[in-house]
Amino acid sequence: ETGVTQSPTHLIKTRGQQVTLRCSSQSGHNTVSWYQQALGQGPQFIFQYYREEENGRGNFPPRFSGLQFPNYSSELNVNALELDDSALYLCASSSARTSGRYEQYFGPGTRLTVT
Amino acid sequence: GNSVTQMEGPVTLSEEAFLTINCTYTATGYPSLFWYVQYPGEGLQLLLKATKADDKGSNKGFEATYRKETTSFHLEKGSVQVSDSAVYFCALSEVLTGGGNKLTFGTGTQLKVEL
Repeated sequence: ETGVTQSPTHLIKTRGQQVTLRCSSQSGHNTVSWYQQALGQGPQFIFQYYREEENGRGNFPPRFSGLQFPNYSSELNVNALELDDSALYLCASSSARTSGRYEQYFGPGTRLTVT
Repeated sequence: GNSVTQMEGPVTLSEEAFLTINCTYTATGYPSLFWYVQYPGEGLQLLLKATKADDKGSNKGFEATYRKETTSFHLEKGSVQVSDSAVYFCALSEVLTGGGNKLTFGTGTQLKVEL
């Protein structure tokens, strides 16, 4: 069974630029969630995708957007990067769109540094 | 909104000592509760879960019991090892309006185990 994978591992961007992060979900999982983890903090929910549609969104501005593909992989796009966007971005997959009882499995993350 | 509060770290213990990391939550309804562990430079790994009141989650010697009356989910281990050194996150699952679920995390508790 293949776990959640993310690419790239590290990324350095300049303020104002745009970035795309990628995630492949664990085999058998059809739902992908993205989280932002600032240094020394717990992860914060950005959004979730199911059947290629956004399923729910946290308190993040519209310049954070995403996609899910038919094979359940996903992208996170961030436009007009700000210094505060520097963080570890975590992708998590889960197997059902149900009542909230299903755990999420996380990838290793992408470390984004904005200078 | 829902929230999770964890004891602040770092917690420093000698090997074979007893571990308790406190976690309390505020939520509407009866969310599922989780403990995740994050080793340096890695993503989050699911450690254990409990889906209803009085459930006990356990894994790798760690245990936590879902206490509805005290809204707590404290993590315990009888004898810690150096390899347990990591950051531990308590989390609750809440349903999204579009279906599916998101995780709300505490700020994490760093555990250091010394010989």
